[in-house]
Amino acid sequence: DADVTQTPRNRITKTGKRIMLECSQTKGHDRMYWYRQDPGLGLRLIYYSFDVKDINKGEISDGYSVSRQAQAKFSLSLESAIPNQTALYFCATSDLRGQGIGELFFGEGSRLTVL
Amino acid sequence: KQEVTQIPAALSVPEGENLVLNCSFTDSAIYNLQWFRQDPGKGLTSLLLIQSSQREQTSGRLNASLDKSSGRSTLYIAASQPGDSATYLCAVRVVVGNQFYFGTGTSLTVIP
Repeated sequence: DADVTQTPRNRITKTGKRIMLECSQTKGHDRMYWYRQDPGLGLRLIYYSFDVKDINKGEISDGYSVSRQAQAKFSLSLESAIPNQTALYFCATSDLRGQGIGELFFGEGSRLTVL
Repeated sequence: KQEVTQIPAALSVPEGENLVLNCSFTDSAIYNLQWFRQDPGKGLTSLLLIQSSQREQTSGRLNASLDKSSGRSTLYIAASQPGDSATYLCAVRVVVGNQFYFGTGTSLTVIP
């Protein structure tokens, strides 16, 4: 089983619909991240959470919200989806050690298409 | 803000060739640098992680080096194979804010 699991893997929806992407991890990491990937733009940070009570906006948080339900679960919501939110979304985790390993681990991605 | 650049954006080589992928970053205040592989439409798989105090890391046919002072890292792939065809991304973990910044990747094609 994957250490970082994302659901759904693929979703097609219509403009204005509410969408939730879910992420769960078994790595025991405190830090979780949501990124989106667009061709030519690389990976951009949407939101990140350093623990259950700590949630922070990334560089492109407008139009998105998140919920950290538990250490292992971090969900991304699009309250009213629009076509330019069509992208590949990734959840990632890392440990909390500041000068330690700090390796980043990714889920398989959720491909979202907004019509 | 940290900027991470990967050049070239695409590379095509014949099977068996040794090759080098480049990654440069603007701010040397980093905790570590990580190299990833991404197959089309798939997630990112971690290949190598180099801590800021290290100069290189090796895994099989892969060797990554880090020159923090000059803001450069290279990923060396020995005896390339068609199965190495993928996009390779580098990411740095910065000290200020403890965030990760990614390059846009190098798309590698190894021709049989």
